[in-house]
Amino acid sequence: GQNIDQPTEMTATEGAIVQINCTYQTSGFNGLFWYQQHAGEAPTFLSYNVLDGLEEKGRFSSFLSRSKGYSYLLLKELQMKDSASYLCAGVDSNYQLIWGAGTKLIIKP
Amino acid sequence: GAVVSQHPSWVICKSGTSVKIECRSLDFQATTMFWYRQFPKQSLMLMATSNEGSKATYEQGVEKDKFLINHASLTLSTLTVTSAHPEDSSFYICSARGGEDYEQYFGPGTRLTVT
Repeated sequence: GQNIDQPTEMTATEGAIVQINCTYQTSGFNGLFWYQQHAGEAPTFLSYNVLDGLEEKGRFSSFLSRSKGYSYLLLKELQMKDSASYLCAGVDSNYQLIWGAGTKLIIKP
Repeated sequence: GAVVSQHPSWVICKSGTSVKIECRSLDFQATTMFWYRQFPKQSLMLMATSNEGSKATYEQGVEKDKFLINHASLTLSTLTVTSAHPEDSSFYICSARGGEDYEQYFGPGTRLTVT
């Protein structure tokens, strides 16, 4: 079966760094997305990885290891506005997104 | 670019009535549109996938006669919740994908409350 696993909730301190992990099992693999979703709002795109390695985009970076079925989202210099849910989604062989349950990130001052 | 709109953004209706939600891709042609439902503090749940000009593919457990989906053009899909009940109260989100782009562009969502 297809499955995406990520932690349910994480807590971090303003100004710090946090890494949100995601492991995936999909039938075929055409990349992995990370989305951010604030409470009561729709998800917004953060990153897409299809090749192994780290992609950096400002304070956010995303890493993929295809051999390990593993990805992480790294958030640096955390700000209070980063408090949100972070959704990991793998793209299967039919180009469908398989969604994780999301990781709720709580930022404390 | 890649903007998706949804209308209405929120709606309150009485039990037993039907509600139509529109999803539009404003600046691209959406060959595929997706309808999701999200209950409070839960993740997105895919309800159905629709391709322009063909019948929607519903996920297991989603009643196709209750949630009517129409994708008549490359820029518009509609979801009609028929005979709504309080348990249908949820956040309904559409997303759209165009061409060979795997990314899904999300609409802002519609909050439905059935009284």
